Amino acid sequence: DTAVSQTPKYLVTQMGNDKSIKCEQNLGHDTMYWYKQDSKKFLKIMFSYNNKELIINETVPNRFSPKSPDKAHLNLHINSLELGDSAVYFCASSRGDHNEQFFGPGTRLTVL
Amino acid sequence: AQSVTQPDIHITVSEGASLELRCNYSYGATPYLFWYVQSPGQGLQLLLKYFSGDTLVQGIKGFEAEFKRSQSSFNLRKPSVHWSDAAEYFCAVGAGGYQKVTFGTGTKLQVIP
Repeated sequence: DTAVSQTPKYLVTQMGNDKSIKCEQNLGHDTMYWYKQDSKKFLKIMFSYNNKELIINETVPNRFSPKSPDKAHLNLHINSLELGDSAVYFCASSRGDHNEQFFGPGTRLTVL
Repeated sequence: AQSVTQPDIHITVSEGASLELRCNYSYGATPYLFWYVQSPGQGLQLLLKYFSGDTLVQGIKGFEAEFKRSQSSFNLRKPSVHWSDAAEYFCAVGAGGYQKVTFGTGTKLQVIP
C-alpha cells in the first residue's frame, strides 16, 4: 500500500538514449510533482501538475517532457540523455493547495 | 521570490544530546514552512509543518520547530537525539495555493555514540 511509488528505482543508460520514469500515487491527491536532486543533495522542482494540467514548469530543457494520463499518475520522459542528467528524480504529490508533499522513493538515473 | 537558507551543511552531535537545526527563509507574506528528513537512499518524509496559529509546532519522532516571524526563522529542535536520527534534513518554504515549494540545501546530521 505504498503511497507514492516510482519505477524503476535505478536506471543506467548511455548518452543519447531516451528513457521514461513512472510515478503513481494512491493518496487521492490532485497535484503531482517532479523534482531533481543532484549529487550535492540540492532539490529542485521541475514540473507540477494539478488535475492533469501543467501548472509549474521551471527552466528545464525541453528534452524533459512530463505526462499526466490521470490524477494518480505522472510520468517523465527524457530524450537524448546527457551526462548532466545523472541525478535522483523524485516524484511527489499533495492535496489541494496545502503544499504538504508526499515523496516517492526516488529513481537514481545514471547516464554513461 | 521565496528562498530558504540552512547555514549548517553538516552537524555532529552525541547521542542523547539536544539538537537545533537552523533555517531562515525569505518570503513577503506569511509562509508555509516545512521540515523534511531524508535517510540514505530514501525519499523525503515530512517531519512537521507550519501554516498558521501556534508558532511552536510538534512533529513526528519527537521533533518540534518554532516559527519566529521577527527573525524569519523556523528552527528544528529535538531534546535528545537518537542514533537513528542521523540523516539529511531539509527546510522548505511555500506560498500556499498551487505555488512551488522551495527547499533549502539541507543539513546533514551525524550522531556519534
